[in-house]
Amino acid sequence: QKEVEQNSGPLSVPEGAIASLNCTYSDRGSQSFFWYRQYSGKSPELIMFIYSNGDKEDGRFTAQLNKASQYVSLLIRDSQPSDSATYLCAVNPPGRRGFKTIFGAGTRLFVKA
Amino acid sequence: EAQVTQNPRYLITVTGKKLTVTCSQNMNHEYMSWYRQDPGLGLRQIYYSMNVEVTDKGDVPEGYKVSRKEKRNFPLILESPSPNQTSLYFCASSLSPSTRNYGYTFGSGTRLTVV
Repeated sequence: QKEVEQNSGPLSVPEGAIASLNCTYSDRGSQSFFWYRQYSGKSPELIMFIYSNGDKEDGRFTAQLNKASQYVSLLIRDSQPSDSATYLCAVNPPGRRGFKTIFGAGTRLFVKA
Repeated sequence: EAQVTQNPRYLITVTGKKLTVTCSQNMNHEYMSWYRQDPGLGLRQIYYSMNVEVTDKGDVPEGYKVSRKEKRNFPLILESPSPNQTSLYFCASSLSPSTRNYGYTFGSGTRLTVV
């Protein structure tokens, strides 16, 4: 089992719709969770981080964390063609020397105009 | 402008020829890390550094070396590159590595091809 799993997609949604991206992780003690956006040929860019169970909203983006079920999701409201990118979920597992972040392989999102 | 600067952006080299990819950040971040990104495998951590002179292996350290002599710089060294090290490499830095992770700032990436 991969430590961080995402559906590779592509996920296709029409412009204006809500895009829902999901991620599951294997280490129950993980404490910090992140979503990054990566445009083709570019570097990842941090969108949101979340530490506590529940929802965290920032503009059109909402991150949702459920530690009991070991999943974290990202909702993008009013999706725009400019949101078309690969979205990377990242998790900080506990108990590792130093500080490690494990990334999922990413979900490709395509927003149709 | 707060940023992580990697050089070069593109590099084609031959097997066995030592190379260094430089990384520098201007945000006074303590934590720096190198990742490689391969299709279907996502970002995999090569090495990381908690502070000056403190480095540790990530998940795929074989064939790589790093050093952290100054806080702002974290070069990645390939002593004898091989074709399986052909990849897209990212340097990243972060604030507060020992308490909360507030997320990474990534460099622009280095696309390395080893022939």
